[in-house]
Amino acid sequence: EAQVTQNPRYLITVTGKKLTVTCSQNMNHEYMSWYRQDPGLGLRQIYYSMNVEVTDKGDVPEGYKVSRKEKRNFPLILESPSPNQTSLYFCASSLSGVYGYTFGSGTRLTVV
Amino acid sequence: QKEVEQNSGPLSVPEGAIASLNCTYSDRVSQSFFWYRQYSGKSPELIMSIYSNGDKEDGRFTAQLNKASQYVSLLIRDSQPSDSATYLCAVNMGLTSRTYKYIFGTGTRLKVLA
Repeated sequence: EAQVTQNPRYLITVTGKKLTVTCSQNMNHEYMSWYRQDPGLGLRQIYYSMNVEVTDKGDVPEGYKVSRKEKRNFPLILESPSPNQTSLYFCASSLSGVYGYTFGSGTRLTVV
Repeated sequence: QKEVEQNSGPLSVPEGAIASLNCTYSDRVSQSFFWYRQYSGKSPELIMSIYSNGDKEDGRFTAQLNKASQYVSLLIRDSQPSDSATYLCAVNMGLTSRTYKYIFGTGTRLKVLA
């Protein structure tokens, strides 16, 4: 089944404790993105990647890191999480930049 | 001015009616346009994409694009209670020939009343 897989689905952590949210797609898509979704603010792009080893900042990159060492994987790293990073996170992939995205199931992160 | 604007709603329509959802965007070089449906607590699901002016139909859904007016809409015919969800408009703005900026609106909540 073609899909984007994110893990974990739910995560509660403490301020400053490094964490990684994994994302993997099995569709051989070039483009991958991370979004956060907050009430009233909609989906905001954190980082995106056009291909292996090619990444760029989205609209809200501060406090996040990404890497794209393999085409299928695009992990999101929070080196020192803070409470304002409490949000619902989505990973998404697209065949290329002009096509729509397929989204993962989401990760609900709470930082206390 | 927001780059992609939608009325937050809720838009309430009776079962069987036509629901009309609207979206405006600010960047004239935008190249591709999408509608996503998001049920509460779930991830967005792509339901329509449109790349050129005019109408595109897929089952009960019709997307309409008017680049001169910077306007894209989604019509849902014969609305069903299962169509109740938030509908997100997304616009793909080409930055270069190889890179794109993908912007979402904040969504319109649709309620179909049985």
